[in-house]
Amino acid sequence: AQSVSQHNHHVILSEAASLELGCNYSYGGTVNLFWYVQYPGQHLQLLLKYFSGDPLVKGIKGFEAEFIKSKFSFNLRKPSVQWSDTAEYFCAVSPGAGSYQLTFGKGTKLSVIP
Amino acid sequence: NAGVTQTPKFQVLKTGQSMTLQCAQDMNHEYMSWYRQDPGMGLRLIHYSVGAGITDQGEVPNGYNVSRSTTEDFPLRLLSAAPSQTSVYFCASRARQGGNTEAFFGQGTRLTVV
Repeated sequence: AQSVSQHNHHVILSEAASLELGCNYSYGGTVNLFWYVQYPGQHLQLLLKYFSGDPLVKGIKGFEAEFIKSKFSFNLRKPSVQWSDTAEYFCAVSPGAGSYQLTFGKGTKLSVIP
Repeated sequence: NAGVTQTPKFQVLKTGQSMTLQCAQDMNHEYMSWYRQDPGMGLRLIHYSVGAGITDQGEVPNGYNVSRSTTEDFPLRLLSAAPSQTSVYFCASRARQGGNTEAFFGQGTRLTVV
């Protein structure tokens, strides 16, 4: 079974700082990778996804993530965070074929200080 | 297009009571699932269904039942509520098997068992 590890439990940044949230997964086959965001009191929304092709994917609100197959990683980045990015971020993995299963990491809470 | 609709949004139960959390989707998605979200634990899969009449257990199924009589609806039943089931519950749906589709989430149900 696949698993997902998110390195940081809570990250605190000042506005305009750069962000990188780590995500590693364990699964031997082809994977589909996702980052979801949960704003306070809300449900999960998709930030970006990687299925195939260019390993650098761009999502909404200026976020991007890079898939590095050799490192089993899918780190999330943003060059300059805003107060409105305060949220919890979840990395998730789904096997490439034949499965619906979506496995989530434990999440990283991001607090952006104005 | 309403997406995934969960009811109720909030619920307080006494230990031993039973209740049903409702989930409905209008996207004709085959796959539906229930997660619980607890602080520091991420999202953990309770039960899932790959189509009408087919359900299976996830990571934390004990104390919960599900059924899938129609494509649209996937209710989650708590048989005899316990304080350990205090959590936020999310229903999600996905379009098709294969892994390369995103999951859509409902707004969540915040359940407190006293």
